[in-house]
Amino acid sequence: NAGVTQTPKFRILKIGQSMTLQCTQDMNHNYMYWYRQDPGMGLKLIYYSVGAGITDKGEVPNGYNVSRSTTEDFPLRLELAAPSQTSVYFCASTEHRGGETQYFGPGTRLLVL
Amino acid sequence: AQSVTQLGSHVSVSEGALVLLRCNYSSSVPPYLFWYVQYPNQGLQLLLKYTSAATLVKGINGFEAEFKKSETSFHLTKPSAHMSDAAEYFCAVSGPNTDKLIFGTGTRLQVIP
Repeated sequence: NAGVTQTPKFRILKIGQSMTLQCTQDMNHNYMYWYRQDPGMGLKLIYYSVGAGITDKGEVPNGYNVSRSTTEDFPLRLELAAPSQTSVYFCASTEHRGGETQYFGPGTRLLVL
Repeated sequence: AQSVTQLGSHVSVSEGALVLLRCNYSSSVPPYLFWYVQYPNQGLQLLLKYTSAATLVKGINGFEAEFKKSETSFHLTKPSAHMSDAAEYFCAVSGPNTDKLIFGTGTRLQVIP
């Protein structure tokens, strides 16, 4: 199993551009998550999904959109990129809610200039 | 509502010395508690978790943590630090019927030769 994969690994965007961060998991997990990590701030939840076709906002959803058309894929869309979206983005998945382990992808480093 | 507080954003220890990373939690429901480790330029991986069984939890790489309800704490320890333990460590909390994981701000562990 590849686990959770993310593409691209690194990207530079200009202000106002848009892009999609890809996330795929091969563990048949229902729950998937997008986090952003900023220095000294820990991980903040952007959006999450409890199954195909079901998504919900996390703590910091503004400026982002998600969709979940399949169990495997959970892309994160950035519209009108802003410098405040410079961050490292992690996708994670888990089989069940509550006490289950979340499995993380390797991350996407995004720089908005 | 749930939250975690990690005391000390940076901790330095000598190789062979005791490692103690502090985590206090707040939760209105019985908590599930986690420690994750992040090595440079990688995603997070689970070290150990508490899900209401034994209060002393043993994890990978010689780490362990003790759940103390009276102190609302879940501190991470390792008797003897190794150079390879240098990383960032995150404490996190969820609950039995919770979809989301709440992370602390992280503690960076430096191991001095």
